[in-house]
Amino acid sequence: SQQGEEDPQALSIQEGENATMNCSYKTSINNLQWYRQNSGRGLVHLILIRSNEREKHSGRLRVTLDTSKKSSSLLITASRAADTASYFCATGLRGGADGLTFGKGTHLIIQP
Amino acid sequence: DTEVTQTPKHLVMGMTNKKSLKCEQHMGHRAMYWYKQKAKKPPELMFVYSYEKLSINESVPSRFSPECPNSSLLNLHLHALQPEDSALYLCASSQPRQTGSNYGYTFGSGTRLTVV
Repeated sequence: SQQGEEDPQALSIQEGENATMNCSYKTSINNLQWYRQNSGRGLVHLILIRSNEREKHSGRLRVTLDTSKKSSSLLITASRAADTASYFCATGLRGGADGLTFGKGTHLIIQP
Repeated sequence: DTEVTQTPKHLVMGMTNKKSLKCEQHMGHRAMYWYKQKAKKPPELMFVYSYEKLSINESVPSRFSPECPNSSLLNLHLHALQPEDSALYLCASSQPRQTGSNYGYTFGSGTRLTVV
């Protein structure tokens, strides 16, 4: 079953604008991760935020985590055409086993 | 080496064929995974190997048979597949959670499988 649910499912913005994607999850977590997938390719790990962190930055990426609301957001600032991809949030399996469960993903299109 | 290598990149097979997908990593990761991804859907976990032992099988049909010969290699043996098994098959690796690792997973580029 899917742990994370992203919204929006699709987002189209102009180059240079900021893009915000949201993720909600259902159970307690140790950390939450965000991945990017270019069309038909493998997933690339972007950023991991631990359950005791509220905000984390990496370059043009900013991730927030609200464990009380079981939600996270990914902000991409100053978007570029190369940011066009699908973005997934992922959380660990119940019971602490190895493995990730992915949300449905947000397909982001950056218009040049 | 910070990559997960999957071969082949593309595979077309008939429903009576037997084929294998291969995955290799040299990052010292002791957990490896197979995921299946259909178009416009998120990856779905199939199998998890931790320390070369199968720890999770997410109710995957027996026509998919995983194998972990050593800590660097992961295979997925395919037999008598159905057209609905056509998908992108992704391999990933990580340090096991019990090590306290808080690093992300490394994914391969996948094998695009078409069953005819």
